[in-house]
Amino acid sequence: AQSVTQPDIHITVSEGASLELRCNYSYGATPYLFWYVQSPGQGLQLLLKYFSGDTLVQGIKGFEAEFKRSQSSFNLRKPSVHWSDAAEYFCAVVVMEYGNKLVFGAGTILRVKS
Amino acid sequence: GAGVSQSPSNKVTEKGKDVELRCDPISGHTALYWYRQSLGQGLEFLIYFQGNSAPDKSGLPSDRFSAERTGGSVSTLTIQRTQQEDSAVYLCASSLVEGIGTEAFFGQGTRLTVV
Repeated sequence: AQSVTQPDIHITVSEGASLELRCNYSYGATPYLFWYVQSPGQGLQLLLKYFSGDTLVQGIKGFEAEFKRSQSSFNLRKPSVHWSDAAEYFCAVVVMEYGNKLVFGAGTILRVKS
Repeated sequence: GAGVSQSPSNKVTEKGKDVELRCDPISGHTALYWYRQSLGQGLEFLIYFQGNSAPDKSGLPSDRFSAERTGGSVSTLTIQRTQQEDSAVYLCASSLVEGIGTEAFFGQGTRLTVV
């Protein structure tokens, strides 16, 4: 079945350390890819998106993500994490061939320790 | 409006009662989504309206759940005979262009508690 997988439910990193959150999808067609963040008590905010072109995309708040077709992955990275980055991060996919709806992964909760 | 608006922000209802949740999308947005987020869970897709096409209802968990979108704008999600497992945050999102995967903007959600 088509799906979006975020294999890490929780990740804890030290402030100032680098971060990588994993996302894999299992759709055969090329998807449109997104990362959203949900801070405590806040709504979902788009961090970045990939539609086509350069496979390394830059987003807000210093985040970037790289699309790797061969690995069906779209991992989110940040070189130096700030305490304010503690939140839940969701990878999401739209596949036009499968009805265009936006499908989310289960999310990864990021904790930042000082 | 400036953003996606959902009402009410909180709803407490007794088991067995019907509830209606409202979503006002951003003006001009043709696509509208409903999701459910339970405690500790991800976003569960419920239903998707895309322009004048028939809605994708594949995520509705039971026939107690239904949704309408009137005039291509406001949407109402109705849950009949609510059960305790329906307790969750219900999120609505809208996007500008049909099915091309442009950014979806989310409302703040309606927190539903069934007691």
